Amino acid sequence: KQEVTQIPAALSVPEGENLVLNCSFTDSAIYNLQWFRQDPGKGLTSLLLIQSSQREQTSGRLNASLDKSSGRSTLYIAASQPGDSATYLCAVGTGGFKTIFGAGTRLFVKA
Amino acid sequence: GAVVSQHPSRVICKSGTSVKIECRSLDFQATTMFWYRQFPKQSLMLMATSNEGSKATYEQGVEKDKFLINHASLTLSTLTVTSAHPEDSSFYICSAQKQGVGEKLFFGSGTQLSVL
Repeated sequence: KQEVTQIPAALSVPEGENLVLNCSFTDSAIYNLQWFRQDPGKGLTSLLLIQSSQREQTSGRLNASLDKSSGRSTLYIAASQPGDSATYLCAVGTGGFKTIFGAGTRLFVKA
Repeated sequence: GAVVSQHPSRVICKSGTSVKIECRSLDFQATTMFWYRQFPKQSLMLMATSNEGSKATYEQGVEKDKFLINHASLTLSTLTVTSAHPEDSSFYICSAQKQGVGEKLFFGSGTQLSVL
């Protein structure tokens, strides 16, 4: 059974700091891995999608990496801003197109 | 990018009533949609997979007679919470899979259900 774990559960950083969010999964047989952002009481916004054959994806200040063999992914946020404050969810796509979510990392960027 | 619309965004109802939540893919056809439930400060838990033109596939522990799913067209799936109880109060989110973009998931904005 695939399990997805995100560390840390919560993070508070000053504005401008670079930071890394971690995601680990137990079964390396994944289809893809996706990082989402969720604002309080809102739906999810897809940030980056990494296919199983890829090692990383970049979008603006965001960079996500994938190491299937070790069951890990990281989301790197450069030069953090208060507007980046949200919950970040890691989701692993498995066979049958089911997606398993981690519990998320709640990020707070202080101005 | 692809847009998924979910309605209503918030609903308050009395115990025993039924509530219908709609999920629409606005600019693409979605043969498969997913319904999730999220409790405060917890992650999304998949409830069921909605397949156009066929019965939904429910996850273990999810009551199919309580959470009725209908996927009548390629752009619309509905979740009906029947005979709602306070413990059904939760945040419900749908997602749709767009073919041809690596099976990327696009999410609705969610529905906050409060049962009094």
